[in-house]
Amino acid sequence: EVQLVESGGGLVQPGGSLRLSCAASGFTFSSYWMHWVRQVPGKGLMWVSRISNDGSSTIYADSVKGRFTISRDNAKNTVNLQMDSLRAEDTALYYCARVVGATKSGGFDLWGQGTTVTVSS
Amino acid sequence: DIVMTQSPDSLAVSLGERATINCKSSQSVLYTSNNKNYLTWYQQKPGQPPKLLVYWASTRESGVPDRFSGSGSGTDFTLTISSVQAEDVAVYYCQQYYSAPLTFGGGTKVEIK
Repeated sequence: EVQLVESGGGLVQPGGSLRLSCAASGFTFSSYWMHWVRQVPGKGLMWVSRISNDGSSTIYADSVKGRFTISRDNAKNTVNLQMDSLRAEDTALYYCARVVGATKSGGFDLWGQGTTVTVSS
Repeated sequence: DIVMTQSPDSLAVSLGERATINCKSSQSVLYTSNNKNYLTWYQQKPGQPPKLLVYWASTRESGVPDRFSGSGSGTDFTLTISSVQAEDVAVYYCQQYYSAPLTFGGGTKVEIK
């Protein structure tokens, strides 16, 4: 089955760290550019970060730059999001998503169910 | 950053009627070298991740019913549901992928009248 499954969310204090993982299956993971998108429950979508298919290129939203690090392991079919110096405003449901057509640009045709991050003391 | 503005925020449509959702970008998302608009539309139902409906502004994703269509170019785009069905109740988002940071519209909630 073609799917993405996120894990690693939880409750963390402000200033703490979490590492999210997204496990891919059912497709040639190494061909696809991958993104992280987050959503506060009941609110809209916010793009967080993107990584190229080979891991050589990464970009971030300004609000997470310098605090979050995206990476991938094509041998293990996983993409990760290391989240440091977490703030209350990082509280959200975090999705990983795949770019359609195994290209750099396009819509996101495959999403995971998300993992919840709560930053609170 | 490119700001994506959707209208209306919500709309109520009778079953079988047409629904039109608008999306305006603060700058053009048309890449002239390939004549492609870097604009996509998603549908999100409660408790579910977004679902891709349309990309490149007008290319319908495989498996998406043909009552969904995207149009527009440059800065003004439209998602049309030609004959709204009960299962189309959802929030719809546009998103640009022309330049980073990728940005989403605020969403349009579609309900049945």
